[in-house]
Amino acid sequence: DVKVTQSSRYLVKRTGEKVFLECVQDMDHENMFWYRQDPGLGLRLIYFSYDVKMKEKGDIPEGYSVSREKKERFSLILESASTNQTSMYLCASSGTGLTEAFFGQGTRLTVV
Amino acid sequence: GENVEQHPSTLSVQEGDSAVIKCTYSDSASNYFPWYKQELGKRPQLIIDIRSNVGEKKDQRIAVTLNKTAKHFSLHITETQPEDSAVYFCAASRRTSYDKVIFGPGTSLSVIP
Repeated sequence: DVKVTQSSRYLVKRTGEKVFLECVQDMDHENMFWYRQDPGLGLRLIYFSYDVKMKEKGDIPEGYSVSREKKERFSLILESASTNQTSMYLCASSGTGLTEAFFGQGTRLTVV
Repeated sequence: GENVEQHPSTLSVQEGDSAVIKCTYSDSASNYFPWYKQELGKRPQLIIDIRSNVGEKKDQRIAVTLNKTAKHFSLHITETQPEDSAVYFCAASRRTSYDKVIFGPGTSLSVIP
């Protein structure tokens, strides 16, 4: 069974903290993505990676960075969390070509 | 970059009626158009997809149509049931050396029993 697992379901962090969101997939997928989901705005792409150590900015990369040291793991980093980064974060992975993206269960991050 | 628009943002239908959700995209190089369904509190899951060499695809009560000239694609759900209530996202992607999927803002569908 396909699995994309995010390390936390809920997180509460303080403004200015460094925050790590972890995502692991067990499908040997090349592509991994981080999306942010806000009401009325849908799924907005923050960063994606198409190979180990490779990364590309999405539509809203400001305030975020990513790390992909191993094929199965893709981390999203908030260098200094701010209240406007309170949101649902979804990780996804897909193989090469025109293939389905599989999503993790999401991390609800609240920055106070 | 690619931009995907989706309408309507909310849709209510009576059980048994049909529902239609429409999307437009901006990048003429896009050639893969998936649709995802997200039930309340759950992760988005693929329900149907269409590639640019196909004009229409059907899977039981769900169908998707694609008009590449107009850069439009639509999701059609017939004989709606309460379990069809969810948020639906259209998306577009183009095949390059890597695959970036851009989603529309979503349509919240409510099926009234």
